[in-house]
Amino acid sequence: DQQVKQNSPSLSVQEGRISILNCDYTNSMFDYFLWYKKYPAEGPTFLISISSIKDKNEDGRFTVFLNKSAKHLSLHIVPSQPGDSAVYFCAATILTGGGNKLTFGTGTQLKVEL
Amino acid sequence: DTEVTQTPKHLVMGMTNKKSLKCEQHMGHRAMYWYKQKAKKPPELMFVYSYEKLSINESVPSRFSPECPNSSLLNLHLHALQPEDSALYLCASSQEGKDSYEQYFGPGTRLTVT
Repeated sequence: DQQVKQNSPSLSVQEGRISILNCDYTNSMFDYFLWYKKYPAEGPTFLISISSIKDKNEDGRFTVFLNKSAKHLSLHIVPSQPGDSAVYFCAATILTGGGNKLTFGTGTQLKVEL
Repeated sequence: DTEVTQTPKHLVMGMTNKKSLKCEQHMGHRAMYWYKQKAKKPPELMFVYSYEKLSINESVPSRFSPECPNSSLLNLHLHALQPEDSALYLCASSQEGKDSYEQYFGPGTRLTVT
């Protein structure tokens, strides 16, 4: 049962344009969401997160939007740069203390073209 | 400093071998994690340690044995593995008890079981 889904396995965007990566979840108990970027042969790198009590969080070129009623979140990257080309994972967790289990989506390969 | 280090970077072992993976962080994080990632799949949680005590075991086979000697170190002892255990093993850490739930990942150990 895939509780976190990224339905687009790949996305291609021109440099300078906006990249929009989408993520859907099914478990309404999730209360914290994160986006990670992963290059080949490296561990995931944390990008940005959002609590379920918010609907938007912004950090530089990265903005995450959360629509709880639709169980949907998205990551906007503006402007997109060639160095943004990587696999992007969304992740969700239920904050319980004692460490938190991240449930990851299947990932979206972003390619930013010149 | 948001660095998590893992050794070795690559490991090849036979099914009768015993080996250990090591992870270290000096960010003062009190939660540490082991994840397993197969090719073209998202990371999957294996174990969580919180304040050096095992808090989550995701029904991992006993041929994987975690150990947390102190708040900075996390080991994963491997014994009698199967070829299907070949994967990228990722360590991560996070703060506990603060309003910051991001997990920071190491570069991973690429394990091949022959």
